[in-house]
Amino acid sequence: GDSVTQTEGLVTLTEGLPVMLNCTYQTIYSNPFLFWYVQHLNESPRLLLKSFTDNKRTEHQGFHATLHKSSSSFHLQKSSAQLSDSALYYCALYTNKVVFGTGTRLQVLP
Amino acid sequence: DMKVTQMPRYLIKRMGENVLLECGQDMSHETMYWYRQDPGLGLQLIYISYDVDSNSEGDIPKGYRVSRKKREHFSLILDSAKTNQTSVYFCASSLSQGGYAEQFFGPGTRLTVL
Repeated sequence: GDSVTQTEGLVTLTEGLPVMLNCTYQTIYSNPFLFWYVQHLNESPRLLLKSFTDNKRTEHQGFHATLHKSSSSFHLQKSSAQLSDSALYYCALYTNKVVFGTGTRLQVLP
Repeated sequence: DMKVTQMPRYLIKRMGENVLLECGQDMSHETMYWYRQDPGLGLQLIYISYDVDSNSEGDIPKGYRVSRKKREHFSLILDSAKTNQTSVYFCASSLSQGGYAEQFFGPGTRLTVL
């Protein structure tokens, strides 16, 4: 079945450094939709960005991601981390149903 | 103000008791979801509802059932709750079941089963 892998459970970095959260997926479908959801402490998840177009960069709120079907990846990046970026980030895949990864907690330190 | 609501926000029950979690949305969304969130496991889909009385099992339906009699309301029922059902439960809705549809999440219900 479909699956999403987020290899890092926790990423800790210093404010101002670049962010990269990894997401890879497995599916037999050729046209998946990929999403990043963000969940701040004591809040509910909300959509950060989404894509279904191969090799096209998608940006929102300073974050960006590019869907690469050749490598089944949709990594989340930001050029400079802010303290307010500290949160739990979920990568999700939709083909005929939605599947979430296990999440990566990003901790940004001053 | 478009939103998803959940009641109650916190609930403590004893093992074997019945539990009713309620979810509402004011966006006339067709599709609604119930998830549970556990540390290290992420969001796991329990049930999905495509419209009134059109429900399908998700990945972990065992021990749960749902009811959707009005488009704006979606209930999750635990008959005879178990301690391993202690979790945070999120309801979500989306305009359609189509892949590109954004899910809007409620604030969550923290359930403790003793």
